[in-house]
Amino acid sequence: GDSVTQMEGPVTLSEEAFLTINCTYTATGYPSLFWYVQYPGEGLQLLLKATKADDKGSNKGFEATYRKETTSFHLEKGSVQVSDSAVYFCALLGYGQNFVFGPGTRLSVLP
Amino acid sequence: GAVVSQHPSWVICKSGTSVKIECRSLDFQATTMFWYRQFPKQSLMLMATSNEGSKATYEQGVEKDKFLINHASLTLSTLTVTSAHPEDSSFYICSARGANTGELFFGEGSRLTVL
Repeated sequence: GDSVTQMEGPVTLSEEAFLTINCTYTATGYPSLFWYVQYPGEGLQLLLKATKADDKGSNKGFEATYRKETTSFHLEKGSVQVSDSAVYFCALLGYGQNFVFGPGTRLSVLP
Repeated sequence: GAVVSQHPSWVICKSGTSVKIECRSLDFQATTMFWYRQFPKQSLMLMATSNEGSKATYEQGVEKDKFLINHASLTLSTLTVTSAHPEDSSFYICSARGANTGELFFGEGSRLTVL
């Protein structure tokens, strides 16, 4: 079945550091890909998405490019802030129309 | 944008009692809603898919008699944890899919603590 794999956390960075959170997927066909963010004590919010190969999703300085050849959707940000501390979930919406979430990666940004 | 609201945000109850959590889509109609459970520092586990006007579809290993789901209208789904036990303590999150974009919108989550 469909699956999503993310890099293990927690990830701890200093403010203004470069962030990469790796995400790879296995799916039948051509899924849509998403990054969701969960701030402490809250539900999930959509951060960005891409619906087809080579699409780049971007929001709040975060970017991710849908790479079909490597089945990846890595999340990047050039300069993280303390307010970016959260848990980040990679997800796909596959042929079966069910969302599949990765295990989440906890990011802590230190001032 | 589309908004999904959950209530209550926090609930503490005694063991053996039942607790109801509501999930509402505030500005769109949701024929399908999803209920997730999240353990501390873990990912979301899909519990069930709630379908308006019909029975919910439960994931393997989820007790349907324990977690009652009712999707009585196009904007409201409820999850009732029956005869709650301390091991039911968790963060429960609902979501609904937008009709046009297919995007999944999440509620704020409901933290249940069973004493």
